[in-house]
Amino acid sequence: DAGITQSPRHKVTETGTPVTLRCHQTENHRYMYWYRQDPGHGLRLIHYSYGVKDTDKGEVSDGYSVSRSKTEDFLLTLESATSSQTSVYFCAISEAGTSPYEQFFGPGTRLTVL
Amino acid sequence: AQSVTQLGSHVSVSEGALVLLRCNYSSSVPPYLFWYVQYPNQGLQLLLKYTTGATLVKGINGFEAEFKKSETSFHLTKPSAHMSDAAEYFCAVSVYTGGFKTIFGAGTRLFVKA
Repeated sequence: DAGITQSPRHKVTETGTPVTLRCHQTENHRYMYWYRQDPGHGLRLIHYSYGVKDTDKGEVSDGYSVSRSKTEDFLLTLESATSSQTSVYFCAISEAGTSPYEQFFGPGTRLTVL
Repeated sequence: AQSVTQLGSHVSVSEGALVLLRCNYSSSVPPYLFWYVQYPNQGLQLLLKYTTGATLVKGINGFEAEFKKSETSFHLTKPSAHMSDAAEYFCAVSVYTGGFKTIFGAGTRLFVKA
């Protein structure tokens, strides 16, 4: 299995509080991604990174920010959590740049915003 | 723009029966196509992928899929279902447009009856 961990695995928080989720990889892969998974929507890309300090927005980026100061870590921050951000969040990594290689997924973080 | 449609959010088959999960895609450029499987409380794992070459691709656990450009389809099949195949399956399309982007379908949950 690809070495990807996510922390925390479960979190309950209140509306309006900031939340940071961490993704850590030991594969030295260049690309890292944050997705959210909701019933009926599959996985939707929030943000991705193509290198240290290089990030870009995905299709559902409003209310989220990311940072990548080291190759192995990719942080997702909910600046002020809302109930609509209750979801399961997955981190993924991939090796490729210009070729769409497969993505390897972490175990997920279940976030509940009350 | 790219899109993926999975026909049927739930599919139920008997153990030993044929599994057929349908996926249609839309892409303005040649796509790379994937099927991922997700077991309960886990991240996604790659089942198989089509990049170039042979249009019939074989994956893990006896699954295979055929890329049909004329039908814009990439249906997943397995000749004989096993109880352990019960999971959620996601079709995904990845294209290169200056960087690459992966779009996931909404998912199909497969139930296998004894």
